[in-house]
Amino acid sequence: GQQVMQIPQYQHVQEGEDFTTYCNSSTTLSNIQWYKQRPGGHPVFLIQLVKSGEVKKQKRLTFQFGEAKKNSSLHITATQTTDVGTYFCAGHRNDYKLSFGAGTTVTVRA
Amino acid sequence: EAQVTQNPRYLITVTGKKLTVTCSQNMNHEYMSWYRQDPGLGLRQIYYSMNVEVTDKGDVPEGYKVSRKEKRNFPLILESPSPNQTSLYFCASGYTGVGGELFFGEGSRLTVL
Repeated sequence: GQQVMQIPQYQHVQEGEDFTTYCNSSTTLSNIQWYKQRPGGHPVFLIQLVKSGEVKKQKRLTFQFGEAKKNSSLHITATQTTDVGTYFCAGHRNDYKLSFGAGTTVTVRA
Repeated sequence: EAQVTQNPRYLITVTGKKLTVTCSQNMNHEYMSWYRQDPGLGLRQIYYSMNVEVTDKGDVPEGYKVSRKEKRNFPLILESPSPNQTSLYFCASGYTGVGGELFFGEGSRLTVL
């Protein structure tokens, strides 16, 4: 089954609003990555978090790694049409395997 | 230009007809991996390779084979394709297998009739 759970599966957002997508693992992760896939495209790396409690920002995107290194979140402020796509989290387990969440597909209402 | 190249990009085949999806990277990456993407399931790892001649099963390896004879190439082999292998396949590479950015190919959409 899915090693890394991601919610929500779909997020419909009014342009200008904020939203958050969450990622949870049943096991401790050595690191967590986030990718964005535009419709019809391939996943593109956004960021990697390694340390417990780590927070990183990229312009309007804020990424967090939980204290127990089992969960993560991506928060986007002031959503724009360019944010449309599917956001995946991916966690490295201790056996070196990389497990992806099912993704959050974001649509934006102008 | 740094890239991961997959071929073919689109393929329709029939049950049981062996096929190979090629993957090549020009970034001298040690780590390469194959994923399949299905609606609602995200990306699931099929096989990965930490280096030349080193391969290991991911979460969904059944029905697939791989080889890593050269650093730049990591072909995915379907010996006897079945309809449940209809999917979008991505190859990815990275400097290491324990973290760091993965670079994905454009994807190969496979349909098995």
